[in-house]
Amino acid sequence: QKEVEQDPGPLSVPEGAIVSLNCTYSNSAFQYFMWYRQYSRKGPELLMYTYSSGNKEDGRFTAQVDKSSKYISLFIRDSQPSDSATYLCAMTTDSWGKLQFGAGTQVVVTP
Amino acid sequence: DTAVSQTPKYLVTQMGNDKSIKCEQNLGHDTMYWYKQDSKKFLKIMFSYNNKELIINETVPNRFSPKSPDKAHLNLHINSLELGDSAVYFCASSLRARADTQYFGPGTRLTVL
Repeated sequence: QKEVEQDPGPLSVPEGAIVSLNCTYSNSAFQYFMWYRQYSRKGPELLMYTYSSGNKEDGRFTAQVDKSSKYISLFIRDSQPSDSATYLCAMTTDSWGKLQFGAGTQVVVTP
Repeated sequence: DTAVSQTPKYLVTQMGNDKSIKCEQNLGHDTMYWYKQDSKKFLKIMFSYNNKELIINETVPNRFSPKSPDKAHLNLHINSLELGDSAVYFCASSLRARADTQYFGPGTRLTVL
């Protein structure tokens, strides 16, 4: 069993809908949680960074962490075709520690 | 003004060959990484250098050898290439090894025939 589980999708939504992504993990020592966006044939880029449990909002993006359930989520409001990409969750035990990535969820936003 | 750059972008080679991938960052970061992304998009760390010192060395075959000539450069040399080495290799850099400042390069797509 992988330490970080993520549904690979694809997840197809119409433009303007809310995209809901999630990851589950098994290591309770994880404290730092990240979401990356990766466009086709490009490197991942950091979208959101959260420490411990709670919510964080940045524009159309909201990240949620529920450490008691070992579950993290990313919501994208008012989705745009430009949001079509693979979204990777990542987490680590220390702020300087090595990242453990999920397999990524492919999102397709149709106009 | 690319932040993290890699060369080459594509690499096609025969089994048994030796090849190198180069990475350079102009962000002033002191930590650099090599990741491997397989065909299922799973991204896994291979190595990390902080100020030219190896700090992360995952279970990677000895055929893979990283080299950091200075803080801004991290190269990856692969000996005796195998079919299973086919993947996209990403270089990344960060400030003081902080996970929240990791910037990735565009990747090198390696195909071993």
